[in-house]
Amino acid sequence: KAGVTQTPRYLIKTRGQQVTLSCSPISGHRSVSWYQQTPGQGLQFLFEYFSETQRNKGNFPGRFSGRQFSNSRSEMNVSTLELGDSALYLCASSPRQGTGEQYFGPGTRLTVT
Amino acid sequence: AQTVTQSQPEMSVQEAETVTLSCTYDTSENNYYLFWYKQPPSRQMILVIRQEAYKQQNATENRFSVNFQKAAKSFSLKISDSQLGDTAMYFCAFMKHVGGGKLIFGQGTELSVKP
Repeated sequence: KAGVTQTPRYLIKTRGQQVTLSCSPISGHRSVSWYQQTPGQGLQFLFEYFSETQRNKGNFPGRFSGRQFSNSRSEMNVSTLELGDSALYLCASSPRQGTGEQYFGPGTRLTVT
Repeated sequence: AQTVTQSQPEMSVQEAETVTLSCTYDTSENNYYLFWYKQPPSRQMILVIRQEAYKQQNATENRFSVNFQKAAKSFSLKISDSQLGDTAMYFCAFMKHVGGGKLIFGQGTELSVKP
């Protein structure tokens, strides 16, 4: 089975712009979670989607949003980018919600200048 | 709120030796999962081992084993016969059993295996 894929792998944006990141889960997995990884804050949970519904949300401002499609693929969007949004954004998929095991993709490295 | 603490930012071990990484957590939940994830340099996060809190038996996966002390809220990872490929950042993580899907991570321990 193919693993979790994330596109693009690298992205450079300017402050004030918006960005959309994409995640394709492992085939058959219906839960997708997103995390932000920075040197200062570590790994922080953004949100989780299951069956096209947001099930959990982390403590991030409303500029961060996401959605999940019927094929379980997920996108996250960040509007009005700030320098502090520079991070590695990780997507993880799981066969069912709340089973524990999450399988991570390689991440999207976002740099905001 | 749940928190996960890894008190060792960096550790090193000689190849073929054994090393133990520490993790403590705080929760009022009774049922939950605990994990160790490995993130090699510039490579993606890999699940190393998983423990369910209601299981008293410590999980093992080949050279990796845990010491789960529920009352003490401690969850350490032991790596036996360390290999150069074990060099990575190791993260301890917590997930509630009900309404889960959200991993709470510790700050990580950077492990270097030296030849």
